[in-house]
Amino acid sequence: AQKITQTQPGMFVQEKEAVTLDCTYDTSDPSYGLFWYKQPSSGEMIFLIYQGSYDQQNATEGRYSLNFQKARKSANLVISASQLGDSAMYFCAMRVDQGGSEKLVFGKGTKLTVNP
Amino acid sequence: GAGVSQSPRYKVAKRGQDVALRCDPISGHVSLFWYQQALGQGPEFLTYFQNEAQLDKSGLPSDRFFAERPEGSVSTLKIQRTQQEDSAVYLCASSKREGWYNEQFFGPGTRLTVL
Repeated sequence: AQKITQTQPGMFVQEKEAVTLDCTYDTSDPSYGLFWYKQPSSGEMIFLIYQGSYDQQNATEGRYSLNFQKARKSANLVISASQLGDSAMYFCAMRVDQGGSEKLVFGKGTKLTVNP
Repeated sequence: GAGVSQSPRYKVAKRGQDVALRCDPISGHVSLFWYQQALGQGPEFLTYFQNEAQLDKSGLPSDRFFAERPEGSVSTLKIQRTQQEDSAVYLCASSKREGWYNEQFFGPGTRLTVL
């Protein structure tokens, strides 16, 4: 069964520093997609970055980059130059194609706090 | 353009009451998803629609949960005879369904509290 594991319930980082949020996944499918979402206290899930299993390069989107290590089944999110507005819950998710569905399987999340 | 909208944003129900949660997806989005997010947890999949067809309802926790999307646009999630364990945030998401990369756009959620 597909599974996402986020082992860091909470992380703290100083403003302007970089931080890495860990994500490992488990799947037997050769094709899969990995997503990171940010959820501020307002509750809305905001898409950050996507990595496909066949992508040769690590994905980057502005201050966000994904450290994709396929052999280790890890897809860690790196946030550079942290800002106070980055304080939020961060969820790693994997797309699962089963029975015609394209559902996402989420981890439990990591709460990031950026200190001034 | 407008994003995914959900109503109501907050709902308080007494145990045993029926509730209906509405989702307006982004116009033209073929795929629609419902997720349930318990406090302190990640979202969990409930059900999936492609246009008006409900292709996957494997995540619905019991037969008290029912979802529909009759015209392939607006969707309603109905919970009958609510129980305290139904208290959660219910998230709706939609996507275009084009190729492998299909970003799901989420609505703000409906926070359901069952007393």
